[in-house]
Amino acid sequence: GENVEQHPSTLSVQEGDSAVIKCTYSDSASNYFPWYKQELGKRPQLIIDIRSNVGEKKDQRIAVTLNKTAKHFSLHITETQPEDSAVYFCAAPRGSGTYKYIFGTGTRLKVLA
Amino acid sequence: GAGVSQSPSNKVTEKGKDVELRCDPISGHTALYWYRQSLGQGLEFLIYFQGNSAPDKSGLPSDRFSAERTGGSVSTLTIQRTQQEDSAVYLCASRPNRGGAGNTIYFGEGSWLTVV
Repeated sequence: GENVEQHPSTLSVQEGDSAVIKCTYSDSASNYFPWYKQELGKRPQLIIDIRSNVGEKKDQRIAVTLNKTAKHFSLHITETQPEDSAVYFCAAPRGSGTYKYIFGTGTRLKVLA
Repeated sequence: GAGVSQSPSNKVTEKGKDVELRCDPISGHTALYWYRQSLGQGLEFLIYFQGNSAPDKSGLPSDRFSAERTGGSVSTLTIQRTQQEDSAVYLCASRPNRGGAGNTIYFGEGSWLTVV
């Protein structure tokens, strides 16, 4: 199948706390996993990505982890700030050598000041 | 151009009319995607063009939807006999090339379609 499942659908955290969003994919040949952030009324923009040859990647307050055996990957945001409030989407290609990206259903993150 | 450009940005049409949505990808990008995003929902894959290969049309929801990409650049998404359930934001995206383990896709601002 081509499904990418994403959880939770909504997430509220207090400013300064951490947020974790998880995605699972079905195609074991998938080898690239990006995360996009979409602010209200704006286009989705890439915030971080990971390739299948690494297990973790960090960029300041955000990190992504990948478990290829379990076929899931997660987005971690530490020290959350109000400007982190947005909808986050994970994605995976349908398979190795293809670039048909299937997106998760999205997580609406609200950071409470 | 500097980014993916889409037009119109907003379109209101009457039920039953045909609409065309245009996408200008980033210059030199060989891959082009169309996605649909209904209000508050996720990104639904519609169609994918890669160079001169046959497009992957597996996400088109019905035969009222079609898309073309002329000269490997500009793409047009056409919706015939529009229905109210077609109301959504139609997002175009492009990607640089085929090589590597993955390449970033860049989205346009979208075309907001409202069918009344």
